[in-house]
Amino acid sequence: QQPVQSPQAVILREGEDAVINCSSSKALYSVHWYRQKHGEAPVFLMILLKGGEQKGHEKISASFNEKKQQSSLYLTASQLSYSGTYFCGTEDFPSNTGKLIFGQGTTLQVKP
Amino acid sequence: DTGVSQNPRHKITKRGQNVTFRCDPISEHNRLYWYRQTLGQGPEFLTYFQNEAQLEKSRLLSDRFSAERPKGSFSTLEIQRTEQGDSAMYLCASSSRYEQFFGPGTRLTVL
Repeated sequence: QQPVQSPQAVILREGEDAVINCSSSKALYSVHWYRQKHGEAPVFLMILLKGGEQKGHEKISASFNEKKQQSSLYLTASQLSYSGTYFCGTEDFPSNTGKLIFGQGTTLQVKP
Repeated sequence: DTGVSQNPRHKITKRGQNVTFRCDPISEHNRLYWYRQTLGQGPEFLTYFQNEAQLEKSRLLSDRFSAERPKGSFSTLEIQRTEQGDSAMYLCASSSRYEQFFGPGTRLTVL
């Protein structure tokens, strides 16, 4: 079942912060975050694993609440380059195949 | 360039024709995934290989779709008797364990 992302769209000014949420109805093994710009492939940002391990970019942070099957992506001091569509991809527990089910996406627009 | 590559980048075909796409993963990655993405949607899982073994295939994938990964290296995705509903971006991703890195995709247009 597809995870639900919120909000669907966000408009920010440069320097402002944003939070994007991802919620699943299933127990999760991992949550992956990607950013996709128009006409380009998704770019890996962050992975959060059951048990607390995280891997990703230094300037991006995220949280994973295993009990609630929720994850949040925190974008601080936004830059113009942050614009794009953000997708969370969830991997069900106990799977360890890496099969991801993606949310519908959150469109972020950063204005000067 | 050591990233994931896909060919062709664009394919226009007539309904009923067969098409084949190729994906070259990052060389040390043993896992390879195919996804399909339509406009305004997130990528949708199609199938997954670990080395040369196809371990999972989406139930949404009709019998017209077949994928191979001979010798655990590159992979091909074939669509037989294409339909207009097959028009989409076909994405390939590879992974060694956790992070999946996507290729640029093949955009298929079925006329």
